[in-house]
This record gives sequence, structure tokens and C-alpha cells, in this order.
Amino acid sequence: EADIYQTPRYLVIGTGKKITLECSQTMGHDKMYWYQQDPGMELHLIHYSYGVNSTEKGDLSSESTVSRIRTEHFPLTLESARPSHTSQYLCASGDFGRANEKLFFGSGTQLSVL
Amino acid sequence: SQQGEEDPQALSIQEGENATMNCSYKTSINNLQWYRQNSGRGLVHLILIRSNEREKHSGRLRVTLDTSKKSSSLLITASRAADTASYFCATDKAAGNKLTFGGGTRVLVKP
Repeated sequence: EADIYQTPRYLVIGTGKKITLECSQTMGHDKMYWYQQDPGMELHLIHYSYGVNSTEKGDLSSESTVSRIRTEHFPLTLESARPSHTSQYLCASGDFGRANEKLFFGSGTQLSVL
Repeated sequence: SQQGEEDPQALSIQEGENATMNCSYKTSINNLQWYRQNSGRGLVHLILIRSNEREKHSGRLRVTLDTSKKSSSLLITASRAADTASYFCATDKAAGNKLTFGGGTRVLVKP
């Protein structure tokens, strides 16, 4: 169904490591989003992009950064991971045209920082 | 503070029963959407209702929207074990293009 992919699916790393979470979509959507979700909790928007070379911070402050060099690719980077970054990270995309105002989500990356 | 809040937080029913969950929000919206999330997975879009609509159906799903009360409800009729999941409402505010999600309702359908 949804052609949006996240890798890795699970990641366990030590404190201080630099990590990049990958997100790619093949639907040609201009708009892409990163949400952070703790178990059983609401989703918080941490980054979004409305197109190539456009990135904005979301409603929840995050120490992560994002880039959008290609339409299909929206990676998220943590320069120095900490245990407080342990969470599930969900990538989504949409085009928000009149007939299609929904988001398509990837399967998520479950990050554990020891 | 979150835009959408679901009620109840958790719901346990028998297969064949109906499940109803509610969502309240705070600011004016362009549309309201419902998503389903299976454990440890991403979200899947279920249904969208626009601010000028009051009720919408899709298969076993029925959504209502009351903009005067800033609330919406999702009804799943004749539930199945496969309906076990968390259900989230999301609002697209007038500025648009950024969905804000509530805390979700965890639904358990027992066979």
C-alpha cells in the first residue's frame, strides 16, 4: 500500500553515537514529516518539509536535524545520542491535494539509546 | 498541549460488539482524520471528515463531527479481533498541512 520506507526498523546504540534514521518515499509527495512517539502515547511533530531544501521544526523541540536534498528522501540525524532520545520515530508523507489530504506512514524506527 | 484528546484511553469489547471512541479538539479545523496503528507499526489512514460535514461512513466505520462542541466520534460496528489496535484522531488546522494527533484509544477485541 504505502510506498514509504524507514530503516533501520530497530536500532540499539550507546550514548554519544551519531545516528541517521532513513526515510524514503516513492509517491512523489512534496510534504514529509517526522513524528516522535513514546509507547502508548500521542505523536509529536518534530520536523517537516514542504519540498526540496525546505525544512522546519515542529511543535516538539528536538535535538535532531533533518535535510531534504531530494524529494524522495528525508533523513533524520542525531549528532550525539542520549538515553532521553529513546523513542519510536515515524516518518510520513502527503501531498495534501484536494483529493488526498491524508498522511502515509512508514513502519517506524524504534530507537534505544543505552 | 495536545490539540486532540481521545476518550476512553482504552476499550475492551467482545467480537461482534460495537466500539465507540471520542475525540475533542481545541482550535478551529479544516478537517479531522482518524488513523489506526497496530502495535509497533506506523499509522494507517481510515477516514477523513471535513469541517462542513457532520457524518461520514466507510464500510464498518462511522464518523461524526460536531464543530460547535469541537468533538468527533468514531464507531466501529460488528468488531473483529483484527480491529484490535490503537485509534488516533488528527486535526488539520486552518493553516493546513500539519496534522496534530491525540493520545489515542487502545481497543482490544476479544474473540
